[in-house]
Amino acid sequence: DQQVKQNSPSLSVQEGRISILNCDYTNSMFDYFLWYKKYPAEGPTFLISISSIKDKNEDGRFTVFLNKSAKHLSLHIVPSQPGDSAVYFCADSRRSSARQLTFGSGTQLTVLP
Amino acid sequence: NAGVMQNPRHLVRRRGQEARLRCSPMKGHSHVYWYRQLPEEGLKFMVYLQKENIIDESGMPKERFSAEFPKEGPSILRIQQVVRGDSAAYFCASSRDNSYEQYFGPGTRLTVT
Repeated sequence: DQQVKQNSPSLSVQEGRISILNCDYTNSMFDYFLWYKKYPAEGPTFLISISSIKDKNEDGRFTVFLNKSAKHLSLHIVPSQPGDSAVYFCADSRRSSARQLTFGSGTQLTVLP
Repeated sequence: NAGVMQNPRHLVRRRGQEARLRCSPMKGHSHVYWYRQLPEEGLKFMVYLQKENIIDESGMPKERFSAEFPKEGPSILRIQQVVRGDSAAYFCASSRDNSYEQYFGPGTRLTVT
């Protein structure tokens, strides 16, 4: 029973345009959602997070939106750059489960020059 | 570089041998998490440790796998009598004071032949 789902395994976007990565969840008992970026042969790099009491968080080119009624969150990257090409994971964090992260399966973003 | 360090980066073992994976957390971090990523999948939580204590090992296989985080030295993930299905990337993450933000190391890629 996958609690965090990323239904799009891949996404291609033109440089300069917006990239939208999506994530759905089933368990509403989370404290934070986090987005990580991962390059091949490297560990995940923390990008941005959002608290369960917020519906938006912004950091530079990255904005995360949380829609609790739809149990959906999305990561917007504007403008997209070739260096953004990587696998993006969403993950939830719950105090009740010792802060272990539950990851989605990832979305491969390719930004075309 | 004060990031999370893992070694070795690559490890090849024959079936039946033991694998030892090491993780040194970021300076000032006393919480360590281990995750495993199988091919084409997201990261899966294995175990959460603080110095000298296992806090949550709900993601660890019941047999052959063990973890420790001694008072001095790195955290160790130990896999005894490895099998081909243990081939994966093993990531260590650390956090400060059970913060929801976890910072990942580069991973150890274990190949069992």
